[in-house]
Amino acid sequence: KQEVTQIPAALSVPEGENLVLNCSFTDSAIYNLQWFRQDPGKGLTSLLLIQSSQREQTSGRLNASLDKSSGRSTLYIAASQPGDSATYLCASLSGSARQLTFGSGTQLTVLP
Amino acid sequence: NAGVTQTPKFRVLKTGQSMTLLCAQDMNHEYMYWYRQDPGMGLRLIHYSVGEGTTAKGEVPDGYNVSRLKKQNFLLGLESAAPSQTSVYFCASRGWNTEAFFGQGTRLTVV
Repeated sequence: KQEVTQIPAALSVPEGENLVLNCSFTDSAIYNLQWFRQDPGKGLTSLLLIQSSQREQTSGRLNASLDKSSGRSTLYIAASQPGDSATYLCASLSGSARQLTFGSGTQLTVLP
Repeated sequence: NAGVTQTPKFRVLKTGQSMTLLCAQDMNHEYMYWYRQDPGMGLRLIHYSVGEGTTAKGEVPDGYNVSRLKKQNFLLGLESAAPSQTSVYFCASRGWNTEAFFGQGTRLTVV
């Protein structure tokens, strides 16, 4: 059974800092890995999708990397802004049933 | 550009009442999921579907039933609501190996 872990559970940084969020998974036989953002009381918004054959994906100030062999993915946020404050979740797609398994998220606070 | 739409957005039920949550997607996705999200528990999979007419149990299926009679709709039913089913429910859909998209959630309170 796939297990996805996100550390740290919470992170607070001053505005302008570059930061890295971590995601690890136990079963490296994944089809893809997806990063989401969730604002309080809202649904999940897709940020980046990395296919198993890819090493990284970029969108604006966000860069996600994937290392299947070590079971790790990172989300890099450049020049953080208060508007980046949210909970960030990663999810792996794996198994014969192609199920999405979520980490418990990292709650990010960017201080002005 | 609707994506995934959940109905209703909020609901209060009395213990023992029944209700159905509707999820509709307009992206012709094969896969659809129902999750519940509780504080400290993260997102937990209730049931999922890999295509029209098919459903399967997830991690926490007890007390829920689902149906997927049409490809674009995935219904989650509570036959006899219990306070333990108080939660925020999310529906998601995706293609074969594509991005998953989520609805805005249904906040359900069972009193």
